[in-house]
Amino acid sequence: AQKVTQAQTEISVVEKEDVTLDCVYETRDTTYYLFWYKQPPSGELVFLIRRNSFDEQNEISGRYSWNFQKSTSSFNFTITASQVVDSAVYFCALSVSGGYQKVTFGTGTKLQVIP
Amino acid sequence: NAGVTQTPKFQVLKTGQSMTLQCAQDMNHEYMSWYRQDPGMGLRLIHYSVGAGITDQGEVPNGYNVSRSTTEDFPLRLLSAAPSQTSVYFCASTLQTSSQETQYFGPGTRLLVL
Repeated sequence: AQKVTQAQTEISVVEKEDVTLDCVYETRDTTYYLFWYKQPPSGELVFLIRRNSFDEQNEISGRYSWNFQKSTSSFNFTITASQVVDSAVYFCALSVSGGYQKVTFGTGTKLQVIP
Repeated sequence: NAGVTQTPKFQVLKTGQSMTLQCAQDMNHEYMSWYRQDPGMGLRLIHYSVGAGITDQGEVPNGYNVSRSTTEDFPLRLLSAAPSQTSVYFCASTLQTSSQETQYFGPGTRLLVL
């Protein structure tokens, strides 16, 4: 069985601070995919990133960066110089069947960026 | 492009009623999926489709049916609504190429079953 743990239920930071959202996953499969999604207060879902288990390179996209470490089964997400618009619930997810099939989501981390 | 559209935005049903949640995308994506989101539980995959005529079950398929007669449309049918199906439903379609992969979500349908 696969599992995704987002231990941080809620985080509050002051604008311009850096913040890291933790994601720990469990799976016995050697091939799997990891995802991050954003859900702003308006409720829509925004896909942020998908990584496969064979690619441990860190990824950076603007103020967003992701750190994938197989040794610790973690796929952490860092927002640099946070902004109020980053306030949202962020979900980490795991799929072991080659894509979006049988995907398992974490329970989410609510990030509040205070101006 | 309209992206992924869902109708209705909000629906109230009585226990035992049936209804269809509509989902359409105009991006010619092969892969589409339905999720439900419940408080404190993240999203759970209900059904998915890898192309017209091909569907499969996700994590929580019971009580729901899907079909995919065209690439554009992927309706979700509630056969006999139950209060446990009160949730927010999201449809998604996925762009998959050799160099990128992006999942697009609809705005969601909020369903209340009394």
